[in-house]
Amino acid sequence: EAGVAQSPRYKIIEKRQSVAFWCNPISGHATLYWYQQILGQGPKLLIQFQNNGVVDDSQLPKDRFSAERLKGVDSTLKIQPAKLEDSAVYLCASSLERQQETQYFGPGTRLLVL
Amino acid sequence: AQKITQTQPGMFVQEKEAVTLDCTYDTSDPSYGLFWYKQPSSGEMIFLIYQGSYDQQNATEGRYSLNFQKARKSANLVISASQLGDSAMYFCAMRENQGGSEKLVFGKGTKLTVNP
Repeated sequence: EAGVAQSPRYKIIEKRQSVAFWCNPISGHATLYWYQQILGQGPKLLIQFQNNGVVDDSQLPKDRFSAERLKGVDSTLKIQPAKLEDSAVYLCASSLERQQETQYFGPGTRLLVL
Repeated sequence: AQKITQTQPGMFVQEKEAVTLDCTYDTSDPSYGLFWYKQPSSGEMIFLIYQGSYDQQNATEGRYSLNFQKARKSANLVISASQLGDSAMYFCAMRENQGGSEKLVFGKGTKLTVNP
């Protein structure tokens, strides 16, 4: 069974530029999560989707971050405009259902904002 | 207040020995889940083991076991017979319900180094 796929693996941009990350969850997984992991810290949830609906985006900086999961499968996370403090690893995870299920993570996208 | 506390920023262990990584948690929810993930330098978070709050027995998965002490609110990970490939960051996480949403909250992690 294929795992969670993410691309790109690495991205370097200058501040005020925009960037987008893509995630393809494990086949059949209804719930998809985006996390931000700043160096030296554990991952922090940004947004959670159940199928194509948003369940929780309380920690998403909505002035610059946006995410969508239009067909309930793939998802895109966008940052526009990027700030220096956005430098982090962006992890995508999926689970079979929302409650009481293990989350499986992708390899992440390492973003460096200069 | 921190929900998940991992007090050991770094740990060292000799190959083939056992090591315990500490994790304490804070929640008032009677139903919760505790997870351990491994993160090698490649960056991927690898699921290791899960313990539900109502599980009577400690979880085990191969060389990994979870020492669950509910009254102390601790969920320590025990790795037996350490291998060089176990060198990585280890994160403890708790799933709890917040406002109808199931959230996974992570600790800051422990860096484990296995010496030959």
